[in-house]
Formats: sequence, C-alpha cells, structure tokens
Amino acid sequence: AQSVAQPEDQVNVAEGNPLTVKCTYSVSGNPYLFWYVQYPNRGLQFLLKYITGDNLVKGSYGFEAEFNKSQTSFHLKKPSALVSDSALYFCAVRDIRGYNTDKLIFGTGTRLQVFP
Amino acid sequence: NAGVTQTPKFRVLKTGQSMTLLCAQDMNHEYMYWYRQDPGMGLRLIHYSVGEGTTAKGEVPDGYNVSRLKKQNFLLGLESAAPSQTSVYFCASSYRPQGAGELFFGEGSRLTVL
Repeated sequence: AQSVAQPEDQVNVAEGNPLTVKCTYSVSGNPYLFWYVQYPNRGLQFLLKYITGDNLVKGSYGFEAEFNKSQTSFHLKKPSALVSDSALYFCAVRDIRGYNTDKLIFGTGTRLQVFP
Repeated sequence: NAGVTQTPKFRVLKTGQSMTLLCAQDMNHEYMYWYRQDPGMGLRLIHYSVGEGTTAKGEVPDGYNVSRLKKQNFLLGLESAAPSQTSVYFCASSYRPQGAGELFFGEGSRLTVL
C-alpha cells in the first residue's frame, strides 16, 4: 500500500537560515508527490508537486522540494526562512487505484516554527 | 473569486443531533472531497464525488452521508452526531482526480459534539 511519513512533528529554525521539512514515501510504481501548507485557521494550500522530470521541483513562496528515488524521499526546502513561513506542512502521495478513484494519502504534518 | 466556501464555520452539537455541512465551489470542478483533520492524524478522506450525482466512500465514511445534487455543491451530513466526530472538516475540489493535480480547500468547519 502507498504511504507517506513525516518523521518530525516540529521543526524550529531561525529566520534567514535554510529550512528542511522531511518526507519519505512508499509506493509501488512511479510516485506522484505533493506538498501542501496550512496557515493557522485556514485550509490547505498547494505548494508544489513532483510527477516526472527534474528531481528539483520549484513551488510557491520560494519553496522547492528534492525528489530522491534511492532514498525514497521528497524533502521540502527553502534557502532562507521567513517568520511568515511558520505553518503546518503536509506531504502527500498519490494512491493509484484507477483514474477516477485515485486518492491522496496525507502525512501527519510537520509544524514549522521560524523564530525572529 | 470565492473558490471553495464552507458553511457553517463553527458548530456545537449534542450527541444524537443531526446537521449538514455545505460546501460550494465556483471553479466548475468535477471532483469534490470531504476530509476530517484530527491532531496527529493528518487529513483523512471521508467521502468524495467524481461528478454531479455521484458519491463514493473514502477512508473513514462511517457515521456520515453525502450528496452531490448540483455540480457546485457537496453536502456532508451527520445523522446522529457522536463525540468521536468532533473534528475540523475540510472540503476540497479539483479539476482532475486528486492524485493527479492540485486540490483547492475551503477554510474548514470546526464541529464540537458534546
């Protein structure tokens, strides 16, 4: 079965420093991978996705993610963190069971706290 | 451009009461979804719809019913609320199956069952 894991409940980083939010996955076949962000009292917002092609995917708000097939990872990164990046981040993987029935499986989320 | 709108945003119920959450989207999306979000568990899919007049069960469908009579609306019903259904509920929509593209989420409905 497809699954995704976010090993860290919380990541703390100082403003201006690089940040990494980790995600590992387990799929059969080629993975479709996603990152979403949830700001306080808001719904989730799409950040970026990997389906095929370049292993480094660029997304919204200066975020990027690196797909690593050998390590089955899809870590979210940003070169310089902002206090406004503080939010809950979700990794997700496609669960393929047919075109009209494929679903997303979300990780449990990682809370990113950026300190001034 | 409103996107995905959920009503109500907050609701308190007593055990055994019923209620309906309404989701409306103005993006002409075929696919719509209801999730619940609980601490430490991420998002879990309750029910979903691949088009007007269709519904299907997700990961945690028990205790919920849904209807998609109009393309733009997706209703989530609780016939007899239980404390275990205390959660934050999110509706989402997409123009492609959720595993293939971007989901657009509403701002959530916080439900407390006493």
